[in-house]
Amino acid sequence: GAGVSQSPSNKVTEKGKDVELRCDPISGHTALYWYRQRLGQGLEFLIYFQGNSAPDKSGLPSDRFSAERTGESVSTLTIQRTQQEDSAVYLCASSLDWGHKTYEQYFGPGTRLTVT
Amino acid sequence: DQQVKQNSPSLSVQEGRISILNCDYTNSMFDYFLWYKKYPAEGPTFLISISSIKDKNEDGRFTVFLNKSAKHLSLHIVPSQPGDSAVYFCAASASTSYDKVIFGPGTSLSVIP
Repeated sequence: GAGVSQSPSNKVTEKGKDVELRCDPISGHTALYWYRQRLGQGLEFLIYFQGNSAPDKSGLPSDRFSAERTGESVSTLTIQRTQQEDSAVYLCASSLDWGHKTYEQYFGPGTRLTVT
Repeated sequence: DQQVKQNSPSLSVQEGRISILNCDYTNSMFDYFLWYKKYPAEGPTFLISISSIKDKNEDGRFTVFLNKSAKHLSLHIVPSQPGDSAVYFCAASASTSYDKVIFGPGTSLSVIP
C-alpha cells in the first residue's frame, strides 16, 4: 500500500511569495500532522488534524502559516509572504485515531523549502 | 522550553558494541514514549515505544528503558550495526492530549565498521 506522500519534494521560492505544500496521508488515517525541521534542529510541531478539524494550532509560527484538510484526506500547508527563516524541511505524518491512545505516526519524505 | 531533551547531538559506536541513546523529559503528564529513526532525505520511521506502566520494552536488538522517577528513558541497540547509523528522535505524549506528540531534537548515531 502507498505510504504518506508529499509534494513538491523541493521548492525554491523568492522571499515574499506564497507557497503551498501538499500532503497525501495513508488511506484511512484520520490523524494528520505537520512538522518543520530546520537545518541542524529537531522536529518542530506545527499543527495536527483530527479528521478535517485542527484542535491544536499552537505550533504555527505566525499568522502567515495556515493549513487545511479536506475529505479527511489531503492536507495543504500554506505559507504566505515567505521569509528566509521559513527555509526548512516540512514533514507530514499520519496515524490511526481510533481512541484515546497515541498511535505511531507514518511520515512522508518531506518537502524541502528554500526561500531566497 | 524544550519538554523532550536529547542532550547528546551525536554518538559514535563501534560495530558490534552497544549504543545507548538517552532522552529526558520535563512534563510529568507524559505517559507514552516513542523512538523514531531517520535516514537522510527520508521521513522518520517508528522504531519502538513504551507506556508508563512498563519500565522496559524489547524488540529484537532494540530495548527501551523508562525511569519515571528520573523522567528519563534510554534506547539500547545491541549489537550495533552500520545500518543503524541514523538520527534517532525521542518523542512523548500525554493521555490527556494523546494526539500531540512532542519530539526531541534528535541524536545522530554513527556506527563505525
